Amino acid sequence: EAGVAQSPRYKIIEKRQSVAFWCNPISGHATLYWYQQILGQGPKLLIQFQNNGVVDDSQLPKDRFSAERLKGVDSTLKIQPAKLEDSAVYLCASSGGVGQRNSPLHFGNGTRLTVT
Amino acid sequence: AQSVTQLGSHVSVSEGALVLLRCNYSSSVPPYLFWYVQYPNQGLQLLLKYTTGATLVKGINGFEAEFKKSETSFHLTKPSAHMSDAAEYFCAVSLNTGGFKTIFGAGTRLFVKA
Repeated sequence: EAGVAQSPRYKIIEKRQSVAFWCNPISGHATLYWYQQILGQGPKLLIQFQNNGVVDDSQLPKDRFSAERLKGVDSTLKIQPAKLEDSAVYLCASSGGVGQRNSPLHFGNGTRLTVT
Repeated sequence: AQSVTQLGSHVSVSEGALVLLRCNYSSSVPPYLFWYVQYPNQGLQLLLKYTTGATLVKGINGFEAEFKKSETSFHLTKPSAHMSDAAEYFCAVSLNTGGFKTIFGAGTRLFVKA
């Protein structure tokens, strides 16, 4: 089975610019997650979708970050405007269990964002 | 509140030696626990998971972890380290916030010396 696809792999932008990341989950996976991983830290959940609805976005900085999963398949995460502290790896993950607590996450390789 | 604490941000072992990576959790309900591994420039991969039943869980690449409720621990072990085990390891807990979400520890980087 094909894994979680993310693009781009790397992105360098200047502060105050905008950027968008794309994710295509494993086929059939209902739940999609965006995590932010700052260097030296564990992944932090930004937003979780179940199909095309938002389940949890409590840690998403909504003044600058937005995400959508319009057709319940692929998803886009946007930052506008970017700040220096947004430099991180953005990981997309999906899981097959709808509402299943024991469903492991399947991760993409991430997008490394550098804000200068 | 549920959380995960990994003791030691860096662990160094010699090739062939025992690997022990520590994880403690706090949870108000029976936890579902996971260990993930991250190789450089890659996403995380599942090593093993504990849900219910047997407290000793075996995973891939010879790793295993034991759930100890009395100690609120879920330490990861491997009897004999291999150079290819060098990576970052994350302990995680699944919690219910209306939908289940996974919270990760800060990670432990494992170095393996020849």
